[in-house]
Amino acid sequence: EAGVTQFPSHSVIEKGQTVTLRCDPISGHDNLYWYRRVMGKEIKFLLHFVKESKQDESGMPNNRFLAERTGGTYSTLKVQPAELEDSGVYFCASSQVTGGNTIYFGEGSWLTVV
Amino acid sequence: EDKVVQSPLSLVVHEGDTVTLNCSYEVTNFRSLLWYKQEKKAPTFLFMLTSSGIEKKSGRLSSILDKKELSSILNITATQTGDSAIYLCGSRSLTTSGTYKYIFGTGTRLKVLA
Repeated sequence: EAGVTQFPSHSVIEKGQTVTLRCDPISGHDNLYWYRRVMGKEIKFLLHFVKESKQDESGMPNNRFLAERTGGTYSTLKVQPAELEDSGVYFCASSQVTGGNTIYFGEGSWLTVV
Repeated sequence: EDKVVQSPLSLVVHEGDTVTLNCSYEVTNFRSLLWYKQEKKAPTFLFMLTSSGIEKKSGRLSSILDKKELSSILNITATQTGDSAIYLCGSRSLTTSGTYKYIFGTGTRLKVLA
Protein backbone atom coordinates (compact mmCIF):
# COMPACT_ATOMS: atom_id res chain seq x y z
CA GLU A 1 0.00 0.00 0.00
CA ALA A 2 1.38 3.39 -0.94
CA GLY A 3 1.99 5.80 1.89
CA VAL A 4 1.31 9.50 2.00
CA THR A 5 3.15 11.13 -0.87
CA GLN A 6 4.10 14.75 -1.20
CA PHE A 7 5.38 16.79 -4.12
CA PRO A 8 7.74 18.51 -4.58
CA SER A 9 10.23 17.21 -2.07
CA HIS A 10 12.23 20.42 -2.28
CA SER A 11 11.43 23.84 -3.67
CA VAL A 12 13.44 27.05 -3.72
CA ILE A 13 11.56 30.17 -4.79
CA GLU A 14 12.03 33.89 -4.59
CA LYS A 15 10.09 36.11 -2.29
CA GLY A 16 6.86 37.14 -3.94
CA GLN A 17 6.53 34.03 -6.08
CA THR A 18 3.87 31.37 -5.77
CA VAL A 19 4.37 27.76 -4.78
CA THR A 20 1.86 24.92 -4.73
CA LEU A 21 2.51 21.86 -2.64
CA ARG A 22 0.62 18.66 -3.25
CA CYS A 23 -0.29 15.82 -0.93
CA ASP A 24 -1.74 12.45 -1.88
CA PRO A 25 -3.04 10.72 1.24
CA ILE A 26 -3.23 7.00 1.71
CA SER A 27 -6.09 5.67 -0.38
CA GLY A 28 -9.34 5.65 1.55
CA HIS A 29 -8.16 8.06 4.25
CA ASP A 30 -10.82 10.69 4.79
CA ASN A 31 -8.77 12.79 7.18
CA LEU A 32 -5.96 14.87 5.78
CA TYR A 33 -3.77 17.23 7.82
CA TRP A 34 -1.21 19.84 6.89
CA TYR A 35 1.61 20.78 9.24
CA ARG A 36 4.61 23.06 9.00
CA ARG A 37 7.95 22.80 10.73
CA VAL A 38 10.09 25.90 10.90
CA MET A 39 13.69 25.20 11.85
CA GLY A 40 14.11 24.60 15.56
CA LYS A 41 10.43 24.75 16.30
CA GLU A 42 7.56 22.34 16.68
CA ILE A 43 5.62 20.74 13.88
CA LYS A 44 2.78 23.21 13.85
CA PHE A 45 -0.75 22.31 12.83
CA LEU A 46 -2.10 24.22 9.84
CA LEU A 47 -5.40 22.62 8.92
CA HIS A 48 -7.50 19.49 8.76
CA PHE A 49 -9.74 18.20 5.99
CA VAL A 50 -12.42 15.59 6.39
CA LYS A 51 -12.96 14.46 2.83
CA GLU A 52 -13.26 17.72 0.87
CA SER A 53 -14.42 19.84 3.80
CA LYS A 54 -12.14 22.02 5.88
CA GLN A 55 -12.76 20.81 9.40
CA ASP A 56 -10.30 23.07 11.17
CA GLU A 57 -8.11 25.73 9.60
CA SER A 58 -7.21 27.51 12.79
CA GLY A 59 -3.51 27.04 12.21
CA MET A 60 -3.30 28.71 8.83
CA PRO A 61 -0.91 31.64 9.28
CA ASN A 62 -2.63 34.19 7.04
CA ASN A 63 -4.54 34.62 3.82
CA ARG A 64 -1.48 34.02 1.69
CA PHE A 65 -2.04 30.33 2.35
CA LEU A 66 -4.81 28.50 0.53
CA ALA A 67 -5.53 24.80 0.92
CA GLU A 68 -7.90 22.79 -1.19
CA ARG A 69 -8.97 19.20 -1.43
CA THR A 70 -11.12 18.82 -4.47
CA GLY A 71 -13.11 15.62 -4.56
CA GLY A 72 -11.78 14.56 -1.21
CA THR A 73 -8.69 12.92 -2.64
CA TYR A 74 -5.42 14.79 -2.97
CA SER A 75 -4.86 18.20 -1.43
CA THR A 76 -2.90 21.25 -2.46
CA LEU A 77 -1.44 24.01 -0.34
CA LYS A 78 -0.68 27.21 -2.20
CA VAL A 79 1.43 30.00 -0.83
CA GLN A 80 0.95 33.27 -2.70
CA PRO A 81 2.92 35.48 -2.50
CA ALA A 82 5.63 33.65 -0.58
CA GLU A 83 7.55 35.46 2.14
CA LEU A 84 10.88 34.60 3.73
CA GLU A 85 9.23 33.38 6.94
CA ASP A 86 7.27 30.79 5.00
CA SER A 87 10.41 28.70 4.66
CA GLY A 88 10.18 25.35 6.38
CA VAL A 89 9.10 21.78 5.90
CA TYR A 90 5.44 21.24 5.09
CA PHE A 91 4.20 17.85 6.21
CA CYS A 92 1.00 16.19 5.17
CA ALA A 93 -0.58 13.38 7.16
CA SER A 94 -3.69 11.27 6.80
CA SER A 95 -5.80 8.92 8.85
CA GLN A 96 -8.42 6.39 7.96
CA VAL A 97 -11.57 7.44 9.75
CA THR A 98 -12.57 10.20 12.07
CA GLY A 99 -11.13 9.13 15.38
CA GLY A 100 -8.63 6.79 13.73
CA ASN A 101 -5.90 5.77 16.08
CA THR A 102 -2.92 7.25 14.38
CA ILE A 103 -1.96 9.46 11.53
CA TYR A 104 0.55 8.64 8.84
CA PHE A 105 2.98 11.26 7.64
CA GLY A 106 4.41 12.02 4.25
CA GLU A 107 8.07 12.81 3.79
CA GLY A 108 7.46 16.53 3.72
CA SER A 109 8.03 19.28 1.21
CA TRP A 110 11.03 21.48 1.97
CA LEU A 111 10.31 25.06 1.00
CA THR A 112 13.01 27.70 0.93
CA VAL A 113 12.04 31.26 0.12
CA VAL A 114 14.98 33.47 -0.78
CA GLU B 1 -3.61 27.36 23.51
CA ASP B 2 -2.87 23.66 23.44
CA LYS B 3 0.81 22.75 23.50
CA VAL B 4 3.19 19.83 23.68
CA VAL B 5 6.66 20.37 25.09
CA GLN B 6 9.56 17.98 24.72
CA SER B 7 12.88 17.80 26.49
CA PRO B 8 15.73 17.71 25.99
CA LEU B 9 15.86 19.32 22.56
CA SER B 10 18.86 17.22 21.68
CA LEU B 11 20.90 14.47 23.22
CA VAL B 12 24.18 12.77 22.36
CA VAL B 13 24.94 9.39 23.91
CA HIS B 14 27.17 6.39 23.28
CA GLU B 15 26.05 3.01 22.09
CA GLY B 16 24.77 0.91 24.95
CA ASP B 17 23.53 3.86 26.98
CA THR B 18 19.92 4.14 28.13
CA VAL B 19 18.05 7.33 27.34
CA THR B 20 14.81 8.84 28.58
CA LEU B 21 12.96 11.38 26.50
CA ASN B 22 10.33 13.57 28.09
CA CYS B 23 7.07 14.95 26.83
CA SER B 24 4.54 17.13 28.63
CA TYR B 25 1.24 18.40 27.36
CA GLU B 26 -1.42 20.97 28.05
CA VAL B 27 -4.27 19.98 25.81
CA THR B 28 -8.00 20.49 26.07
CA ASN B 29 -10.05 17.31 25.65
CA PHE B 30 -6.93 15.18 25.58
CA ARG B 31 -7.42 11.62 24.42
CA SER B 32 -4.07 10.05 23.60
CA LEU B 33 -0.39 10.69 23.37
CA LEU B 34 1.66 9.54 20.40
CA TRP B 35 5.35 8.99 19.76
CA TYR B 36 6.96 9.01 16.33
CA LYS B 37 10.50 8.44 15.10
CA GLN B 38 11.76 10.61 12.27
CA GLU B 39 14.95 9.52 10.60
CA LYS B 40 15.60 10.93 7.18
CA LYS B 41 12.13 11.41 5.87
CA ALA B 42 8.59 10.74 7.10
CA PRO B 43 7.97 10.34 10.82
CA THR B 44 7.01 6.76 11.57
CA PHE B 45 4.62 5.73 14.30
CA LEU B 46 5.99 4.17 17.49
CA PHE B 47 3.36 4.22 20.22
CA MET B 48 -0.03 5.55 21.12
CA LEU B 49 -0.82 5.81 24.83
CA THR B 50 -4.32 6.34 26.08
CA SER B 51 -4.36 4.88 29.57
CA SER B 52 -2.25 6.17 32.39
CA GLY B 53 0.36 3.89 33.97
CA ILE B 54 0.33 1.17 31.33
CA GLU B 55 3.69 0.67 29.72
CA LYS B 56 3.92 -0.08 26.04
CA LYS B 57 7.00 -1.86 24.75
CA SER B 58 8.50 -2.57 21.39
CA GLY B 59 11.90 -4.17 21.57
CA ARG B 60 14.26 -1.81 23.32
CA LEU B 61 11.74 1.04 23.29
CA SER B 62 9.11 1.57 25.91
CA SER B 63 6.78 4.37 26.85
CA ILE B 64 4.34 5.25 29.58
CA LEU B 65 1.76 7.96 30.12
CA ASP B 66 1.08 9.79 33.37
CA LYS B 67 -2.21 11.64 33.07
CA LYS B 68 -1.90 13.11 36.53
CA GLU B 69 1.38 14.77 35.63
CA LEU B 70 0.28 15.39 32.02
CA SER B 71 3.42 13.79 30.76
CA SER B 72 4.98 10.81 29.07
CA ILE B 73 8.43 9.34 28.77
CA LEU B 74 10.03 7.31 26.03
CA ASN B 75 12.84 5.01 27.12
CA ILE B 76 15.39 3.45 24.85
CA THR B 77 17.70 0.87 26.41
CA ALA B 78 21.00 -0.38 25.00
CA THR B 79 20.97 2.34 22.36
CA GLN B 80 22.37 1.66 18.90
CA THR B 81 23.52 4.02 16.18
CA GLY B 82 20.34 3.17 14.30
CA ASP B 83 18.34 4.82 17.06
CA SER B 84 19.71 8.19 15.96
CA ALA B 85 16.68 10.20 14.90
CA ILE B 86 14.27 12.91 15.94
CA TYR B 87 11.65 11.59 18.32
CA LEU B 88 8.35 13.41 18.10
CA CYS B 89 5.70 13.51 20.78
CA GLY B 90 2.15 14.48 19.89
CA SER B 91 -1.26 14.65 21.44
CA ARG B 92 -4.61 13.58 20.06
CA SER B 93 -7.56 15.56 21.30
CA LEU B 94 -11.24 15.67 20.59
CA THR B 95 -12.59 18.82 18.97
CA THR B 96 -16.02 20.34 19.52
CA SER B 97 -17.07 19.02 16.11
CA GLY B 98 -16.26 15.47 17.14
CA THR B 99 -13.13 15.06 15.05
CA TYR B 100 -9.60 14.52 16.28
CA LYS B 101 -6.81 17.06 16.25
CA TYR B 102 -3.13 16.19 16.52
CA ILE B 103 -0.45 18.60 17.68
CA PHE B 104 3.24 17.96 18.14
CA GLY B 105 6.25 19.18 20.05
CA THR B 106 9.62 20.28 18.73
CA GLY B 107 11.00 16.77 18.90
CA THR B 108 14.13 15.50 20.64
CA ARG B 109 17.10 14.97 18.37
CA LEU B 110 18.98 11.90 19.54
CA LYS B 111 22.42 11.04 18.27
CA VAL B 112 23.99 7.75 19.27
CA LEU B 113 27.75 7.52 18.82
CA ALA B 114 29.48 4.25 18.05
